[in-house]
Amino acid sequence: AQSVTQLDSQVPVFEEAPVELRCNYSSSVSVYLFWYVQYPNQGLQLLLKYLSGSTLVKGINGFEAEFNKSQTSFHLRKPSVHISDTAEYFCAVSGGFGNEKLTFGTGTRLTIIP
Amino acid sequence: GAVVSQHPSRVICKSGTSVKIECRSLDFQATTMFWYRQFPKQSLMLMATSNEGSKATYEQGVEKDKFLINHASLTLSTLTVTSAHPEDSSFYICSAASGTYGYTFGSGTRLTVV
Repeated sequence: AQSVTQLDSQVPVFEEAPVELRCNYSSSVSVYLFWYVQYPNQGLQLLLKYLSGSTLVKGINGFEAEFNKSQTSFHLRKPSVHISDTAEYFCAVSGGFGNEKLTFGTGTRLTIIP
Repeated sequence: GAVVSQHPSRVICKSGTSVKIECRSLDFQATTMFWYRQFPKQSLMLMATSNEGSKATYEQGVEKDKFLINHASLTLSTLTVTSAHPEDSSFYICSAASGTYGYTFGSGTRLTVV
């Protein structure tokens, strides 16, 4: 069984400040890790994913994440946030790429303060 | 590539009627379709997984007779909410999956039962 923990339900950050959204996972098999962003009343958009290889993954909109196997973490970071980054962010894990279900964390609401 | 179209985006129906939601992968073939339900300010809850030409696999606690899923082709899956009641009001999101593109989400359907 797999699970994802996003400890921070809400993260307020000043505009142009850096941000880190935390994600920890547990899995008994190989993992594929994802970060998604959801704007109000919309579906999910993929920010980035880790499948294998380099542990530092770069995604869209200036986001990056680092896979840390020893700490079972996949934290999302951005060096300088913008108002447009205000949204809900979900971390997810799967045992396969496209052939197994995604297990989502509870989400982190990122609010950018002007 | 990897675009998923979900319709309708919003629907209001009377209690006791049925509503059909369509999910189409426009430019790829989806080996698997996933249907999620999302309550306000909460994460996505997987309802069922469907593969083309076979019966859907429902998650524990999801009524298969109320939420009918049909996956007639590699590009189309439908979710029918039968005899809808106000407690079925929610945001429903589909995800089309393939080994090439991973998981691509529809834009969601806001169902309101009055």
